Amino acid sequence: DAKTTQPTSMDCAEGRAANLPCNHSTISGNEYVYWYRQIHSQGPQYIIHGLKNNETNEMASLIITEDRKSSTLILPHATLRDTAVYYCIVRALSGSARQLTFGSGTQLTVLP
Amino acid sequence: KAGVTQTPRYLIKTRGQQVTLSCSPISGHRSVSWYQQTPGQGLQFLFEYFSETQRNKGNFPGRFSGRQFSNSRSEMNVSTLELGDSALYLCASSLASGTQGTEAFFGQGTRLTVV
Repeated sequence: DAKTTQPTSMDCAEGRAANLPCNHSTISGNEYVYWYRQIHSQGPQYIIHGLKNNETNEMASLIITEDRKSSTLILPHATLRDTAVYYCIVRALSGSARQLTFGSGTQLTVLP
Repeated sequence: KAGVTQTPRYLIKTRGQQVTLSCSPISGHRSVSWYQQTPGQGLQFLFEYFSETQRNKGNFPGRFSGRQFSNSRSEMNVSTLELGDSALYLCASSLASGTQGTEAFFGQGTRLTVV
């Protein structure tokens, strides 16, 4: 079972920041937070991951709360091509829990 | 650098047949994982191979099997196909070296339809 809770859907205006929340209250100390997105009928695309520090790359920023029980993915300037299902995943990097366990994700719709 | 390549992209099979899907990982990646995506169950993990050994397995019946070759290319096989096996089958590869290179990169998938 997925260990994360995400809103089912969100809308965002084009050009504005999209903030996608994720709750992972049962996260363990050795588990990372990963974000993927899937545009319709394509393979999931890796976005970003982190352990406890905030992370930024060319696609997005990941903000993890100090207690690590929740996180927010930020797309700073959303475009229509960012419309996709966004998955928040917690994952250990060793043992039987290393696979990606996808939940239902958040359908983000960027509106013109 | 070429991405993950899955072949074929589309496949139609009849109930009771068997099917083999292929995945070529990104050059240098040693881990290959397989996932099944259906509208009802979402994305579900099938198995992971690393250096030709199955390292992890999801909760699927024995009809689903896989293997990895010395060049890291992987195949998965489904025998005695059922209508419910109709799905998008996705392959993902990663460096999988300790805590580095853990990002998994997915292929475009193989769309299998069982009739």
